[in-house]
Formats: sequence, structure tokens, C-alpha cells
Amino acid sequence: EIVLTQSPGTLSLSPGERATLSCRASQSVSSSFLAWYQQKPGQAPRLLIYGASNRATGIPDRFSGSGSGTDFTLTISRLEPEDFAVYYCQDYDSSRLYTFGQGTKLEIK
Amino acid sequence: EVQLVESGGGLVQPGGSLRLSCAASGFTFSSYSVNWVRQAPGKGLEWVSYISGSSNVIFYADSVKGRFTISRDNAKSSLYLQMNSLRAEDTAVYYCARLKSSYGYSMDYWGQGTLVTVSS
Repeated sequence: EIVLTQSPGTLSLSPGERATLSCRASQSVSSSFLAWYQQKPGQAPRLLIYGASNRATGIPDRFSGSGSGTDFTLTISRLEPEDFAVYYCQDYDSSRLYTFGQGTKLEIK
Repeated sequence: EVQLVESGGGLVQPGGSLRLSCAASGFTFSSYSVNWVRQAPGKGLEWVSYISGSSNVIFYADSVKGRFTISRDNAKSSLYLQMNSLRAEDTAVYYCARLKSSYGYSMDYWGQGTLVTVSS
């Protein structure tokens, strides 16, 4: 069973700052199937990044993803007020299907 | 415009049953695999079940295997989740989500969710 561990649990930053969120897998995963989602209170998750580094349709270029193997990163270059939310990483594997990280809450400092 | 609209949630007693529905529009439903994903109050996301476009491939999370049944009716562009033997730990918002194979099977569209509460 694979475990995705996100850190930090909570990140406190100010608008305009850079945010770096980490997702670490307990074993190597394919970067082709690593995704990131954003979820705001009372809303459904929204796909941000797929294939570890590809922005989904309509996602601003301040969001970027990187990484491979067991270590992946979501970076938000300059935080906008609407970016404060919870972020989840997710892995897909054809045998065990879907695994989510526990989430990182990005809050306004 | 792609839309997924869940319905069927509500309050049910432990051991009871509920059937969730997800109505899809704005795309060729039969061409896409779909997931059910749930989120307990104040908790993270948990994958529940997967069904391929033609219903020939189905998977369940261990936590619901043997109790939940996923199905779809492509003629009606609808997805279903039959939930039996419900437990308190099944209390959650249930989302249906479309999978995009060209996006590494990530979930590119989600419904707004339907709340299931299991309590006596």
C-alpha cells in the first residue's frame, strides 16, 4: 500500500509570497499519474496539475508542479487571495487505483 | 459545458441502504471512466470506486468492497452508487468525478457532492 505524505500540514503565508507544497510517496510512483487538486471550503476539488507538471485547462501559470520518483512539489509563485485553500496530491496506479495525500492547508498569515 | 450533478444523499440509519446518482451532461458520457470519491466531515479525500466507460472494469476501495456497488447507464448519462450495510464511518460528502485518460487518469471534472449521514 502506497502512502502519500504532504507537508507541511498548514502553511501560513501572505499574498504575493511564494508557496512550496511537498508530496512524498512511500515508494516510487510514476510522474505520469501524479496530480494536484485545490479545494476551497464548501466546494468540490479542482484539478490543478496532472502528470506531475502539466497545468490543467484554465489554471494560471503561477501554479507549477515538479518532481519524480518519491518527491513531488506544487509551487505557487505569487499568492493571490483566491489561492488560500487546501491542496491534495493524488496518485493513480492500475493495480491499486487512487491514493490521496492528507492535504496541506494554505492559510493567510 | 461539462456538468456532473449528484443526488440521493440523506440521513440513513446504520445498516441501512442508499442509492446515489450522478447525472452527467456536456460530454459523451460513455467515453469516460468515472470515480466516486468521498470526504468525511473535516477530513481529506478518499477514493471509493471506479467504473470504466463500458462498465467492464470496476474497482472498489477495501473499505467499501462487498457493501457498495457502482453502475452506470450510458443511455441516461448517469452513474450510480448503491450503498448497503451503511456504517457511521461512511458519513461523508460523495462526489462523482470524470477521469481523463490523457491527463494521466486524473479527475478533471467533479460534481458538487451529496452528503450522506449515517446515524441513529
